Amino acid sequence: DAGITQSPRHKVTETGTPVTLRCHQTENHRYMYWYRQDPGHGLRLIHYSYGVKDTDKGEVSDGYSVSRSKTEDFLLTLESATSSQTSVYFCAIRETGNEKLFFGSGTQLSVL
Amino acid sequence: DQQVKQNSPSLSVQEGRISILNCDYTNSMFDYFLWYKKYPAEGPTFLISISSIKDKNEDGRFTVFLNKSAKHLSLHIVPSQPGDSAVYFCAAISGNTGKLIFGQGTTLQVKP
Repeated sequence: DAGITQSPRHKVTETGTPVTLRCHQTENHRYMYWYRQDPGHGLRLIHYSYGVKDTDKGEVSDGYSVSRSKTEDFLLTLESATSSQTSVYFCAIRETGNEKLFFGSGTQLSVL
Repeated sequence: DQQVKQNSPSLSVQEGRISILNCDYTNSMFDYFLWYKKYPAEGPTFLISISSIKDKNEDGRFTVFLNKSAKHLSLHIVPSQPGDSAVYFCAAISGNTGKLIFGQGTTLQVKP
């Protein structure tokens, strides 16, 4: 959808292990976003990027870091996963001058 | 601190009737508002949007109304169809920050 791919689609990991989720786009859009979706909380912004090596925090950034070394890739890293980070993670992209975000299909992450 | 709020977790309507989904926001810097629709196991998809300089935008069966003084927007679906059953998220963005903030979502069920 809209040239955006998330990997992996599903992951189960143990508490305390590092985890990296990848978002890849083929649209050459400037903006990329990471959200998590949890019951009762909707979609909450974790981090976003407004260009290569330009990132900023969202609403729930604690425990997460991001990197964007290329326009097409935006990585989300959980340095030491906790059970509270069990969630569905969505990546989204947006082009300059257009307020619409296009979302990937999501990554289901379970931290045991 | 929830900047975008959807206070109704769920809504049930009869097919052919009107569905009204509501959303409130607190940040007066938001200048663009969007509605997204989400089916299970899929990423959210864009539905309709409205600029803060307008008070109404219509697209087929979907109309979004914005009341800036009340910091309130609503989505009207007329007539409602069973295929409209999904989770609906409202979202707001400030052009200055580029951050798109979502509400908690409202689950709409349209009964045949």
